[in-house]
Amino acid sequence: AQTVTQSQPEMSVQEAETVTLSCTYDTSESNYYLFWYKQPPSRQMILVIRQEAYKQQNATENRFSVNFQKAAKSFSLKISDSQLGDTAMYFCAFMRVGSQGNLIFGKGTKLSVKP
Amino acid sequence: GAGVSQSPSNKVTEKGKDVELRCDPISGHTALYWYRQRLGQGLEFLIYFQGNSAPDKSGLPSDRFSAERTGESVSTLTIQRTQQEDSAVYLCASSLWLPSSGNTIYFGEGSWLTVV
Repeated sequence: AQTVTQSQPEMSVQEAETVTLSCTYDTSESNYYLFWYKQPPSRQMILVIRQEAYKQQNATENRFSVNFQKAAKSFSLKISDSQLGDTAMYFCAFMRVGSQGNLIFGKGTKLSVKP
Repeated sequence: GAGVSQSPSNKVTEKGKDVELRCDPISGHTALYWYRQRLGQGLEFLIYFQGNSAPDKSGLPSDRFSAERTGESVSTLTIQRTQQEDSAVYLCASSLWLPSSGNTIYFGEGSWLTVV
């Protein structure tokens, strides 16, 4: 069975600074997707970034980038130039190709961006 | 619709009562998913629909839980004889195709169920 571990329950960062959220996963699969979702107080889960395991290049979306280390089964999220609106719960998720939408989520990291 | 819509937003019910939670997916999305999020936890996958069919119901926590989808649109998650451990946010999501083909899953804002 796959598991996703987020070892940082809470983090804080000053506005405009950079923060990195950690995620490790365990799987015997070779073909899968990894995701970071953001959940603000409104509760809606918003996709931040996704990575296909077969791609060696790290995914980037504006201020958000990942460090994908397949051998180490690590998938960290870096947020650059943090903004107050980045304050939210961040969830790392794993999905095996062909698993029909069965996203396996970590327990989340609560990020607070301070002015 | 513009996004995934869920109702009710919040529901408080007495232990032992039945509840129905509704999900309207994004128009045209053939795949629909239900997840449960307990307080302070990540999401648990419950069930998915491709069209009106649910090929795998093994994620449902017990036989008190059931889900259906009609017209390849609206879905209802029903919890019978609710228990306090059913208290959670129930999130619905939809996607254009099955995500293994690379499509994004879009989530609703969830239905917060409290069983007292």
